[in-house]
Amino acid sequence: EPEVTQTPSHQVTQMGQEVILRCVPISNHLYFYWYRQILGQKVEFLVSFYNNEISEKSEIFDDQFSVERPDGSNFTLKIRSTKLEDSAMYFCASSVSSRATNEKLFFGSGTQLSVL
Amino acid sequence: EDQVTQSPEALRLQEGESSSLNCSYTVSGLRGLFWYRQDPGKGPEFLFTLYSAGEEKEKERLKATLTKKESFLHITAPKPEDSATYLCAVQAYGGSQGNLIFGKGTKLSVKP
Repeated sequence: EPEVTQTPSHQVTQMGQEVILRCVPISNHLYFYWYRQILGQKVEFLVSFYNNEISEKSEIFDDQFSVERPDGSNFTLKIRSTKLEDSAMYFCASSVSSRATNEKLFFGSGTQLSVL
Repeated sequence: EDQVTQSPEALRLQEGESSSLNCSYTVSGLRGLFWYRQDPGKGPEFLFTLYSAGEEKEKERLKATLTKKESFLHITAPKPEDSATYLCAVQAYGGSQGNLIFGKGTKLSVKP
């Protein structure tokens, strides 16, 4: 069964450093998302991306965050200058492009980001 | 403010002991309510989407129902492999495709 792949599974970085989290969505999907989950907290929406542009972003997704689809298969989340509070599990998700709403999202296994 | 509250936070069952998980939601306009399963160290895995009050969906030992204010996930004769965290999420009108508001989840443990 097709799946969303995320790399790396764990990322440790120093505060103030830039990190790039990578995702390979399911090949025929055209909607892409990033969510995050701080330990013990809810899964939170960060951003949705379609047709090479951001469709919607949450308050969490400030100027330190950016997303990119650099080629036909990868989808990345960049955090320019990491803060301690950015430590979380980051999930990439994708869904099939169609006119139907409420499509199910397929999530990857996540990247655990630890900012020291 | 759109909000999702799940109860209980944790539930321990004996194998075969049926029970229900609750998801209460407050949303300006409901486009859809979703149930996901999350295993430790994994991303959420889709179970059901419900669109309107009165709707029911079933999959193996799981049955999801929806009213205007809450949803229930009924687990009939659970097995140890049903142990996981069950997440409820809503999509509200005005939000883009895929902007889901999640609850904190119910951690289910089923003992043999």
